[in-house]
Amino acid sequence: ETGVTQSPTHLIKTRGQQVTLRCSSQSGHNTVSWYQQALGQGPQFIFQYYREEENGRGNFPPRFSGLQFPNYSSELNVNALELDDSALYLCASSRGGGRDQETQYFGPGTRLLVL
Amino acid sequence: EDQVTQSPEALRLQEGESSSLNCSYTVSGLRGLFWYRQDPGKGPEFLFTLYSAGEEKEKERLKATLTKKESFLHITAPKPEDSATYLCAVTRNYGQNFVFGPGTRLSVLP
Repeated sequence: ETGVTQSPTHLIKTRGQQVTLRCSSQSGHNTVSWYQQALGQGPQFIFQYYREEENGRGNFPPRFSGLQFPNYSSELNVNALELDDSALYLCASSRGGGRDQETQYFGPGTRLLVL
Repeated sequence: EDQVTQSPEALRLQEGESSSLNCSYTVSGLRGLFWYRQDPGKGPEFLFTLYSAGEEKEKERLKATLTKKESFLHITAPKPEDSATYLCAVTRNYGQNFVFGPGTRLSVLP
């Protein structure tokens, strides 16, 4: 069973630029959630996608947007990057439906640095 | 607003010295509480899910328990490889909006 994968592993951008991060969900999972984790803090929920539709959103501005594709892989797009966007971005997938949906399995993350 | 706090912030143990980590939560209608382990620079690794007060789960040297206001992660006779940050998260609806605590950084010295 293939786990959650993310790309790229590291990224350096400058303020005002746009970035796209990618995630492949674990085999058999149809739900993908994205989190932002600042250094020394717990992950913060950005949004979740279930069967290609946004299924919940945390307290993040609209410049954070996403997509989920028919194969359940997902993208996180961030426009107009700010210095505070520097963080580890985590993708998590889950099976969907009933209690199994609650258990989320995380990828290794993408480390984004905004200069 | 849902809140999760964890204590202590950091914990140093000698190998074999058992201890407990605490996760206190304020959430309306808890559906599940989750424990994860995170190594530096990596994604969180799933450990346990607890759904109702009184529930307990065990895995090797770890045991998680749940009450109506908090959860404990008990570590029995820890080894240096147990060193990591332990994260607690709660949810009150189907998989959305996991609320994580700040984590406890555990160091186990040989």
